[in-house]
Amino acid sequence: EPEVTQTPSHQVTQMGQEVILRCVPISNHLYFYWYRQILGQKVEFLVSFYNNEISEKSEIFDDQFSVERPDGSNFTLKIRSTKLEDSAMYFCASSEPNGASLSYEQYFGPGTRLTVT
Amino acid sequence: GIQVEQSPPDLILQEGANSTLRCNFSDSVNNLQWFHQNPWGQLINLFYIPSGTKQNGRLSATTVATERYSLLYISSSQTTDSGVYFCAVNSGNTPLVFGKGTRLSVIA
Repeated sequence: EPEVTQTPSHQVTQMGQEVILRCVPISNHLYFYWYRQILGQKVEFLVSFYNNEISEKSEIFDDQFSVERPDGSNFTLKIRSTKLEDSAMYFCASSEPNGASLSYEQYFGPGTRLTVT
Repeated sequence: GIQVEQSPPDLILQEGANSTLRCNFSDSVNNLQWFHQNPWGQLINLFYIPSGTKQNGRLSATTVATERYSLLYISSSQTTDSGVYFCAVNSGNTPLVFGKGTRLSVIA
């Protein structure tokens, strides 16, 4: 069964450094999302991406964040200058609305645990 | 925006017991998903259930969209069912809004 994959599974970085989190969505999906979960809290939306541009973003997604789909398969989240409070689990998700299944279900990757020291 | 409330926040069960988790949401939605977050932090997709009832082994879910709630039933619970259960909703292609989750501990 197709699945969303994410790399790395765990990333440790120093405050102020740039990190890139990578995701490979399910191949025929059209919408891509990043969510994050600070330890012990609920999952929060960061940004959605469709047709090679951001379709929606939350207040959390400020200028230090950016997303890109550099090729036909990868979807990346870049944090330009990490802060201690960026430490969280980051989840990528994809969905295939308007496809043959007419389903809005979002499929989640296993997550990348980011630790900023 | 839409609000999602889950209850109870914490639940402790003896192995073999049954349980019901509830998710209430404040507005009309056309997508509702239940997830299990395992000890490694992974979100396991349990059900995509915008309406109706579905069953998968010992788990089943029912969504009554007109009354804005969903229930997740766990029967004959096992220690491996422990973790946090999240409900999340949206409409169309909008971002999922998650509840705060129910933390389930199953004791042998």
